[in-house]
Amino acid sequence: EIVLTQSPATLSLSPGERVTLSCRASQSVSGYLAWYQQRPGQAPRLLIYDASNRATGIPARFSGSGSGTDFTLTISSLEPEDFAVYYCQQRSKWPLTFGGGTKVEIK
Amino acid sequence: EVQLVESGGGLVQPGGSLRLSCVASGFTFSSYWMTWVRQAPGKGLEWVANIKPDESEKYYVDSVKGRFTISRDNAKNSVYLQMNSLRAEDTAVYFCARSIAVTANNFDYWGQGILVSVSS
Repeated sequence: EIVLTQSPATLSLSPGERVTLSCRASQSVSGYLAWYQQRPGQAPRLLIYDASNRATGIPARFSGSGSGTDFTLTISSLEPEDFAVYYCQQRSKWPLTFGGGTKVEIK
Repeated sequence: EVQLVESGGGLVQPGGSLRLSCVASGFTFSSYWMTWVRQAPGKGLEWVANIKPDESEKYYVDSVKGRFTISRDNAKNSVYLQMNSLRAEDTAVYFCARSIAVTANNFDYWGQGILVSVSS
């Protein structure tokens, strides 16, 4: 099973700041990595698939990069609605796996 | 508008069974892979099972193999998760989700989730 490790576990930031989240895979997933956002009490929302492709309707402030084992999600300028938990997910090998999540909280 | 609505959750004793249902609307259900993902209380996301549009392929996480069965009825726009031999560690909110057409194994629309509690 491919283990995805997200860091840091929690980030405390202010609106308007730039944030970079990390996801590291235990083995190469090529470019088959996605990012999701989950707000409290809500279902996850797909942000990025295949490392750098924004999903339909996702604002341009969200961008993804990386390949192999190291990936990043960048939010260029935090909006109030961006404070949430972010998960990465790989589709390179079965079973599909998610990272443990990074919580972005208001400072 | 795409909608996914789960039902069938609740409290069940260890060793018991439940069948979750998810009714879809707003898209051509028979063209999409569907999935179940769960989230234990206060924890992260765990993929559970996927099913191909024609049911010819099904995949499961190891922890549920032999106990859970995913199925679908394209005529009813529905996907199901039959859960047998339930354990305390199966307690979670279960989400059904649609796979995006481009990749099949990323999920763009999700239901609101249904709680399954396994306890005596």
